[in-house]
Amino acid sequence: EPEVTQTPSHQVTQMGQEVILRCVPISNHLYFYWYRQILGQKVEFLVSFYNNEISEKSEIFDDQFSVERPDGSNFTLKIRSTKLEDSAMYFCASNPLTGAYNEQFFGPGTRLTVL
Amino acid sequence: DAKTTQPPSMDCAEGRAANLPCNHSTISGNEYVYWYRQIHSQGPQYIIHGLKNNETNEMASLIITEDRKSSTLILPHATLRDTAVYYCIVGNAGNMLTFGGGTRLMVKP
Repeated sequence: EPEVTQTPSHQVTQMGQEVILRCVPISNHLYFYWYRQILGQKVEFLVSFYNNEISEKSEIFDDQFSVERPDGSNFTLKIRSTKLEDSAMYFCASNPLTGAYNEQFFGPGTRLTVL
Repeated sequence: DAKTTQPPSMDCAEGRAANLPCNHSTISGNEYVYWYRQIHSQGPQYIIHGLKNNETNEMASLIITEDRKSSTLILPHATLRDTAVYYCIVGNAGNMLTFGGGTRLMVKP
């Protein structure tokens, strides 16, 4: 069964460093998302991406964040200068958008630890 | 997106039906009801969705009231592996999912 994959599973970085989190969505899916979950808190939406551009973004997704689909298969989230409060699980999701419903398939997540 | 209200936690005996309620009194006419779950720290997993009619799949059943202001997710024979946080979310296709606190379901032997 096809699934969303994410790499790395765990990333440790120093404050101020750039990180790139990678995702491979399911191949025929059209909509892509990033969410994050700080330990013990709710899952929070960051950004959605459709037709090679950002469709929606939350207040969390400020100028330090960017997304890219560089080669038609990978979907990346870049954090330009990490802060301690960026430590969280980051989940990628994709959606086939067949029909009128919203079944998002989530990856296993990348645990980002900022020291 | 409409807001949902769920009990923070519930217990269920293994093998019994788990009935998880959700209130969504401000749901609008074109919004769907979605249920997801998150087992430990894994990525959320889609369970089922519905608009007006009751729905059933291999994982669960979804009962939506006629006025669409509330719904119930039913796991007919809960197992220990169903222990998870269950999220009721309302919204439209393609939109972001707005996760609340969910219901922490503990299935006990």
